[in-house]
Amino acid sequence: DSGVTQTPKHLITATGQRVTLRCSPRSGDLSVYWYQQSLDQGLQFLIQYYNGEERAKGNILERFSAQQFPDLHSELNLSSLELGDSALYFCASSAASGGPNTGELFFGEGSRLTVL
Amino acid sequence: SQQGEEDPQALSIQEGENATMNCSYKTSINNLQWYRQNSGRGLVHLILIRSNEREKHSGRLRVTLDTSKKSSSLLITASRAADTASYFCATGLNDYKLSFGAGTTVTVRA
Repeated sequence: DSGVTQTPKHLITATGQRVTLRCSPRSGDLSVYWYQQSLDQGLQFLIQYYNGEERAKGNILERFSAQQFPDLHSELNLSSLELGDSALYFCASSAASGGPNTGELFFGEGSRLTVL
Repeated sequence: SQQGEEDPQALSIQEGENATMNCSYKTSINNLQWYRQNSGRGLVHLILIRSNEREKHSGRLRVTLDTSKKSSSLLITASRAADTASYFCATGLNDYKLSFGAGTTVTVRA
């Protein structure tokens, strides 16, 4: 058990809908990372937050947004969903702030999103 | 595009044999990490090697890093069925992103 909790584990929805994925980092970790894993794209970095502030942005679509709350949990919002958004979405946390000090990431078990 | 690329894409070995996989990357790094992912599960950190280190061991794992060739290798000795998984390298850059390769799928046959 990594200590990172993601909900929901599975989600099935229709095109055009909006969903929110939730992540609770390990106790004490200030950094939260979001990754998307699909068969054709592999593991893609979406976004990183550190202590409530956005630190880095990757290949995150404009239809997607995220935030980290004062209690350090994070949410990833996906809107106007398309078939191609079907994927495993992982949250990871780290004690480090990122950048040159990016150390070990602790991954949750993921949220599997299926868009029909 | 991926910063790190693992090679081979897939590997099938007999239990007890060694498994070696390689990772090549494109730009200078601060550290390189290896992760394991069992099917459909979250990634688990295996080992981190810093840019000023050349070799690191952890149990049955041995990682090497050659910064002049921009490559790393992961060796799993005396493989077990439980080692069946996908293995990813990840590179830490100055831009705060930890970028993962496409992974090597290892199957250990009993």
